[in-house]
Amino acid sequence: DQQVKQNSPSLSVQEGRISILNCDYTNSMFDYFLWYKKYPAEGPTFLISISSIKDKNEDGRFTVFLNKSAKHLSLHIVPSQPGDSAVYFCAALTGANSKLTFGKGITLSVRP
Amino acid sequence: NAGVTQTPKFRILKIGQSMTLQCAQDMNHNYMYWYRQDPGMGLKLIYYSVGAGITDKGEVPNGYNVSRSTTEDFPLRLELAAPSQTSVYFCASSQDSPVLHFGNGTRLTVT
Repeated sequence: DQQVKQNSPSLSVQEGRISILNCDYTNSMFDYFLWYKKYPAEGPTFLISISSIKDKNEDGRFTVFLNKSAKHLSLHIVPSQPGDSAVYFCAALTGANSKLTFGKGITLSVRP
Repeated sequence: NAGVTQTPKFRILKIGQSMTLQCAQDMNHNYMYWYRQDPGMGLKLIYYSVGAGITDKGEVPNGYNVSRSTTEDFPLRLELAAPSQTSVYFCASSQDSPVLHFGNGTRLTVT
């Protein structure tokens, strides 16, 4: 049973436009959420996170929104750049332990 | 800045062979993890360690063993390789934080 779901396997956007990557979760005990970015032949790298006490966190071109009632979070990238082309993983954890639960990932392609 | 170093990068094993995937970190992190990523899937936790001498099972531990004799090293042992263990293996570390630092992975094929 997948507790963190990234239902769209891929997304293609034009350079300069907004990329919106979605993530849903089923476990209401999750209280911290992270996005990781992964290039081919490399390990995932941390991108941005959000605590459940917030509904928005921003870092440069990247903003994560959290809707706890809908158990949904999204990552917005504005403006999108070709270097953003990668696989993006959503991950979640509860405060009770430090083990992350990952989604399957979304492959983002940004067209020049 | 080495961070988390995994060796080898690639390996092909025959069914029934054994091998050890090496992982070393130079950040003095207490927490270390082993994940596997199958095609089109997320990362699944195999084993983790909260410090030297302490290890615990994750979500998919069957067929694997680990040890943590030092803070720096966290090797993953496959005793009897099976085709189901064909995957990309990632080692990660953290320091009492949900932000994990990953190595670049070991791509293992069992035939």
